[in-house]
Amino acid sequence: DAGVIQSPRHEVTEMGQEVTLRCKPISGHNSLFWYRQTMMRGLELLIYFNNNVPIDDSGMPEDRFSAKMPNASFSTLKIQPSEPRDSAVYFCASTRTASGNTIYFGEGSWLTVV
Amino acid sequence: GDSVTQMEGPVTLSEEAFLTINCTYTATGYPSLFWYVQYPGEGLQLLLKATKADDKGSNKGFEATYRKETTSFHLEKGSVQVSDSAVYFCALSVNQGAQKLVFGQGTRLTINP
Repeated sequence: DAGVIQSPRHEVTEMGQEVTLRCKPISGHNSLFWYRQTMMRGLELLIYFNNNVPIDDSGMPEDRFSAKMPNASFSTLKIQPSEPRDSAVYFCASTRTASGNTIYFGEGSWLTVV
Repeated sequence: GDSVTQMEGPVTLSEEAFLTINCTYTATGYPSLFWYVQYPGEGLQLLLKATKADDKGSNKGFEATYRKETTSFHLEKGSVQVSDSAVYFCALSVNQGAQKLVFGQGTRLTINP
């Protein structure tokens, strides 16, 4: 079975540009998560969806960040406008909601904003 | 709120040494506990998990026991290898309508030959 698929794997962009990160969760999974990883702050949960509905976006750093899940097999995380401090690895993860179920991670999108 | 505290790194050991990485948690309700591993340049992979008190998770020679009385889930391995060099994350999961994974800060482990 295919795992969580993220694109792009690597992106370098200029400050002020819009960045869109994409995620395809594992088929049959109904919860999807976006995490950000930096050296300074470690792994932070940005937002998570259950059955395509955003449940908790309290981790989204500011209005420049937005996330959508238009259907069960696709989600996007958008940064507009991007800033150098947004440089990080962004992970998407998914699971079938139930206590103790494993959450599976994609390989990450490595974003550099210059 | 729910949180995980794990041993600060980095940890450097020689091959075949005994490894312990401490992890404690606070949680509302009854969490499931996980250890994830991240190899250089890769995403996070599940290493092991335990879903109820006194359960022991094990994989690839690593073990951790869910201790409710001490709210701990320490990771151990009897004899580490160079290939175990990675960052290890302790995490808890609580089901509040939807499942949410809360991570510790990660512990970087380096094993020298």
